[in-house]
Amino acid sequence: ETGVTQTPRHLVMGMTNKKSLKCEQHLGHNAMYWYKQSAKKPLELMFVYSLEERVENNSVPSRFSPECPNSSHLFLHLHTLQPEDSALYLCASSQELQGGYEQYFGPGTRLTVT
Amino acid sequence: GNSVTQMEGPVTLSEEAFLTINCTYTATGYPSLFWYVQYPGEGLQLLLKATKADDKGSNKGFEATYRKETTSFHLEKGSVQVSDSAVYFCALKDTGGFKTIFGAGTRLFVKA
Repeated sequence: ETGVTQTPRHLVMGMTNKKSLKCEQHLGHNAMYWYKQSAKKPLELMFVYSLEERVENNSVPSRFSPECPNSSHLFLHLHTLQPEDSALYLCASSQELQGGYEQYFGPGTRLTVT
Repeated sequence: GNSVTQMEGPVTLSEEAFLTINCTYTATGYPSLFWYVQYPGEGLQLLLKATKADDKGSNKGFEATYRKETTSFHLEKGSVQVSDSAVYFCALKDTGGFKTIFGAGTRLFVKA
């Protein structure tokens, strides 16, 4: 595997379910990000982890819970979601401090909440 | 605070036409500027970047020049192809912090 991978690619869940999104980066980067991309809205930054510590949390509802067990893996745990949470969830990574600051994105998980 | 404004789409062009997508920014420091592209069903990928004033980023026939005097980073391509149909995002990042500011995106359709 190369780059940034995300699983699953598609997920349909009911409002009472619990599920998790997984992201893995194979680039040796030290920062990882979760974004939400909804139709007709700008890309929304949700969480940032640097060296496995959460450094940004942009007023995201508590029904989204991130986890970063090591510098290569990032999870987004989902529970009791709402239909308006249906969106494309993108993971990204970057090499901060020494890098060019560009981000590398995974293909995304298309989430539908029914 | 920092912000990015890019032209609204969609932009529809015929193959081999000239492309310009305008992007302007506001920033307090000296940010790096980026263009990302998102093809259907995929995540964003870096198209080109420029890290200081007057730098020109280029890739796959696309170019953009970092203009500090006009706070702009317009994307251009001399001859578009059908395969260039995608959504293009202008973005900036200050050297401090982790936040990249993205524009709203401009959808490009290229007709054969």
